[in-house]
Amino acid sequence: SQTIHQWPATLVQPVGSPLSLECTVEGTSNPNLYWYRQAAGRGLQLLFYSVGIGQISSEVPQNLSASRPQDRQFILSSKKLLLSDSGFYLCAWSSGGRGTGELFFGEGSRLTVL
Amino acid sequence: DQQVKQNSPSLSVQEGRISILNCDYTNSMFDYFLWYKKYPAEGPTFLISISSIKDKNEDGRFTVFLNKSAKHLSLHIVPSQPGDSAVYFCAASDSGTYKYIFGTGTRLKVLA
Repeated sequence: SQTIHQWPATLVQPVGSPLSLECTVEGTSNPNLYWYRQAAGRGLQLLFYSVGIGQISSEVPQNLSASRPQDRQFILSSKKLLLSDSGFYLCAWSSGGRGTGELFFGEGSRLTVL
Repeated sequence: DQQVKQNSPSLSVQEGRISILNCDYTNSMFDYFLWYKKYPAEGPTFLISISSIKDKNEDGRFTVFLNKSAKHLSLHIVPSQPGDSAVYFCAASDSGTYKYIFGTGTRLKVLA
């Protein structure tokens, strides 16, 4: 069966420090991969998605970036964190074609920027 | 530009009664819709979906209704149980893209 893992689960970082959140999917190949963020009291905001190795689509211009160095690995990064980057970050995957299947989410990573 | 809207931030329902959660969308290209349930500090879990070629889909206690002309969908939970207390998100996608757009969520509280 397919599983998705993301880490770390919790992170407290000072303003201006770098960030790296990692996500891996097991049990499937060539998944579509997604990063979402849930800020306090807000919905799920789509940040990035990828449909293949090295291919990244950005939805929200900001100081975050994403990379997909391997088929089932998706990384969210920042060189310098802002206070507004605090939130609950969720990695997700889907299979198959465009926008017609379920999204499966990881456990989430809570980022607090101080 | 909020393409998917859940206008009720919270809803309280008595155990055993029906819970109705609503969702509106603006993009007429959306043709696939999903509902997710989320507990605090966890990832959302999939509940039920519906394609735009249907107007109703049922799965146990959960039924989703789609009104394409009104650009509105709703999730009915019957009977509601205390374990249903969570935040519910609706999501929409366009089969021409890979993007899934989520609403802001409705917090459901089922009272015992």
